[in-house]
Amino acid sequence: DAGITQSPRHKVTETGTPVTLRCHQTENHRYMYWYRQDPGHGLRLIHYSYGVKDTDKGEVSDGYSVSRSKTEDFLLTLESATSSQTSVYFCAISAATSGETQYFGPGTRLLVL
Amino acid sequence: QKEVEQDPGPLSVPEGAIVSLNCTYSNSAFQYFMWYRQYSRKGPELLMYTYSSGNKEDGRFTAQVDKSSKYISLFIRDSQPSDSATYLCARNTNSGGSNYKLTFGKGTLLTVNP
Repeated sequence: DAGITQSPRHKVTETGTPVTLRCHQTENHRYMYWYRQDPGHGLRLIHYSYGVKDTDKGEVSDGYSVSRSKTEDFLLTLESATSSQTSVYFCAISAATSGETQYFGPGTRLLVL
Repeated sequence: QKEVEQDPGPLSVPEGAIVSLNCTYSNSAFQYFMWYRQYSRKGPELLMYTYSSGNKEDGRFTAQVDKSSKYISLFIRDSQPSDSATYLCARNTNSGGSNYKLTFGKGTLLTVNP
């Protein structure tokens, strides 16, 4: 998985609770991304980062926030989890400015009850 | 219209068959096209990428881009049971300056039967 770890790998939580997912890379890549993957929708970009403290919204950013205080870590926070946020979350990294080589982590399975 | 359309399948073929996986796109203003392979309960792994148009070959895999028809294809020769996975096509878009994002198709589930 190209030096990418995600934690936790599985999580069950209740509606209304905050949740933070962590992505850690050892590749020193500049770009980091958070996606969610759902049946019938495929992979959709939530937020991405193009440097420390530099982040931007993706296609499905409502209800999510991110932070990147170090090159190696990119955090995704669900401020108040809802059942619609039950999904598999993938982190990806890229060194390339043209974005053609994104490498994905192993994923986090989140269930919101 | 979604920017990348992909037939979800599923597609089931016998071992040794030639597999053709296809996507269409609607916006010509981008450069790179990618194919990712995703095994069940795993993260996507980059299989191939190609620039603009033409063919790119890597072992049993060939990626093809037809700009005139806005069509991208992945061909797998001599398919093996280990090729059974979901295949995702993607293309990059410029989100401003030097920042690029990928837009994915929904994926095609392929099963290669022994």
